[in-house]
Amino acid sequence: GENVEQHPSTLSVQEGDSAVIKCTYSDSASNYFPWYKQELGKGPQLIIDIRSNVGEKKDQRIAVTLNKTAKHFSLHITETQPEDSAVYFCAARFENSGYALNFGKGTSLLVTP
Amino acid sequence: DGGITQSPKYLFRKEGQNVTLSCEQNLNHDAMYWYRQDPGQGLRLIYYSQIVNDFQKGDIAEGYSVSREKKESFPLTVTSAQKNPTAFYLCASSGQGYGYTFGSGTRLTVV
Repeated sequence: GENVEQHPSTLSVQEGDSAVIKCTYSDSASNYFPWYKQELGKGPQLIIDIRSNVGEKKDQRIAVTLNKTAKHFSLHITETQPEDSAVYFCAARFENSGYALNFGKGTSLLVTP
Repeated sequence: DGGITQSPKYLFRKEGQNVTLSCEQNLNHDAMYWYRQDPGQGLRLIYYSQIVNDFQKGDIAEGYSVSREKKESFPLTVTSAQKNPTAFYLCASSGQGYGYTFGSGTRLTVV
């Protein structure tokens, strides 16, 4: 079936550094790619998303880039802060699963002061 | 405030019991979803519903059942046929914009 691969599974950075999380997807027809942040014991929250007709999108310290030819997309967090520590999930919308989102396995980000 | 509510937050199930997890949304979203989350496994799709009175199986539907009698509600029943039900269950809904709004989850434990 269709899937989403996410790397790395864990990432530790110093406060103020940048963090990059990468995802690849298998369905070339996918057209929507969101990123979610999940804090311990809570539901995931949408932090940024991108559609297939756009190559890059920014929202303050967060950016997402999409390469449709290579079928990969990345989350970039600049000037990281301790409150950025959480689990981050990428996802892709697949046509053959009724447009439900397929999620990567998550990246546990730790930002140390 | 609009949102999506899951209850209970914690649920304990004895062997052989069926239990039902509640999910209610007041966002006027058409589509609703159930995901299961296990450590290191990400979110796996159990069932989804795009309109009232219609739903489809996801990747791991065995041992689960759902209903969608109202737009606002999408309850999930974990049946005794689900052999490893201990997990964190997440409900979500989406409207026209594709993005999901998630509930705060139900942690189910078999005792």
